[in-house]
Amino acid sequence: GAGVSQSPSNKVTEKGKDVELRCDPISGHTALYWYRQSLGQGLEFLIYFQGNSAPDKSGLPSDRFSAERTGGSVSTLTIQRTQQEDSAVYLCASSPDRGERYGYTFGSGTRLTVV
Amino acid sequence: GESVGLHLPTLSVQEGDNSIINCAYSNSASDYFIWYKQESGKGPQFIIDIRSNMDKRQGQRVTVLLNKTVKHLSLQIAATQPGDSAVYFCAENKGSTLGRLYFGRGTQLTVWP
Repeated sequence: GAGVSQSPSNKVTEKGKDVELRCDPISGHTALYWYRQSLGQGLEFLIYFQGNSAPDKSGLPSDRFSAERTGGSVSTLTIQRTQQEDSAVYLCASSPDRGERYGYTFGSGTRLTVV
Repeated sequence: GESVGLHLPTLSVQEGDNSIINCAYSNSASDYFIWYKQESGKGPQFIIDIRSNMDKRQGQRVTVLLNKTVKHLSLQIAATQPGDSAVYFCAENKGSTLGRLYFGRGTQLTVWP
């Protein structure tokens, strides 16, 4: 597609339930990133996929968080046993291989509310 | 008008004035910097970038200045318009980690007609 697509755009879930957030990156982009943005805050790195390399998971806040990227394209971020502090906007971004310029292109995000 | 990033997270300017948004970065090893604009309900949008071998770069109505001596980055917006109202983030790439960006807290710019 023309841009990074995320779904759903909004998700309300009950505390303790599992949620899956989806990201469809720009076609041909080999790098994919997940960030989290809490209200009025900056962007917190979660995880980074680059081609066939092992993902950089160093930003995942707990073992309740996991992410997969299938076929080098679509990615799913899963949060198990959601807690209220997980409420945030989850942003996905993609970029080409590192080259002359490698700024990200972001999607519009999924706003997760845990009640 | 000017902001000082973390110490003054909001900036209000009159339409037509120039705006300066400041950012202090933390790592002297960072070699790539980006400014993003985020409008309400949207993801951040790339504005302009600069590499550490440069101290100034210009785009359309925007200029980024990099002072490596004091680890300071600024974004200048000329003739600010109401459509420029948004949160502006600086981001740095720390050279040891391929691709990962570290974002500042952001500055809310409000432009009054």
